[in-house]
Amino acid sequence: EAGVTQFPSHSVIEKGQTVTLRCDPISGHDNLYWYRRVMGKEIKFLLHFVKESKQDESGMPNNRFLAERTGGTYSTLKVQPAELEDSGVYFCASSPVTAYGYTFGSGTRLTVV
Amino acid sequence: GQSLEQPSEVTAVEGAIVQINCTYQTSGFYGLSWYQQHDGGAPTFLSYNGLDGLEETGRFSSFLSRSDSYGYLLLQELQMKDSASYFCAVRDPDTGRRALTFGSGTRLQVQP
Repeated sequence: EAGVTQFPSHSVIEKGQTVTLRCDPISGHDNLYWYRRVMGKEIKFLLHFVKESKQDESGMPNNRFLAERTGGTYSTLKVQPAELEDSGVYFCASSPVTAYGYTFGSGTRLTVV
Repeated sequence: GQSLEQPSEVTAVEGAIVQINCTYQTSGFYGLSWYQQHDGGAPTFLSYNGLDGLEETGRFSSFLSRSDSYGYLLLQELQMKDSASYFCAVRDPDTGRRALTFGSGTRLQVQP
């Protein structure tokens, strides 16, 4: 079974630019999550989709972040405009409805300069 | 709010046993999970404890004491490939929230 795929693996952009991260979850997983790890600190929750619906977006830092999940399949996370403090590793994870554990992707390392 | 504490670093030798502790403070409780992450890799789910006691999966075991708000991950017969960061995590108990709150991670260094 294919795992959770994230693209790109690395992105370096200038402050003020826009970046879009993509996540392809495991096929059939209704739950999709975005997390990020900033400066080696703890992994922090951003938001949770159930199919195409945003179930919980309480972790989104501000309105510069926009997440979508078209048709309940892949998801995108757009940062516009990017700020220096947005640098970090953005992880996507997915899980079936009843699972305790998530399957994470390898993350996108975002560097804003 | 929720917070978890775990040691920042642990060092052990190949073949040894190491225990990584995790204490948590939460408004409620819905199970303790453990994840492993190698540098540059994806966090990988290791175990889940919803009830008190020990869960064993091969060389790894995880323990939970809800009365003490405490759990640990036990790694036996350490191998070099076990060098990684280990995170404990709790799920928010509020109805409908499946978000995990992670600890800051424990970096395990296995030496020859």
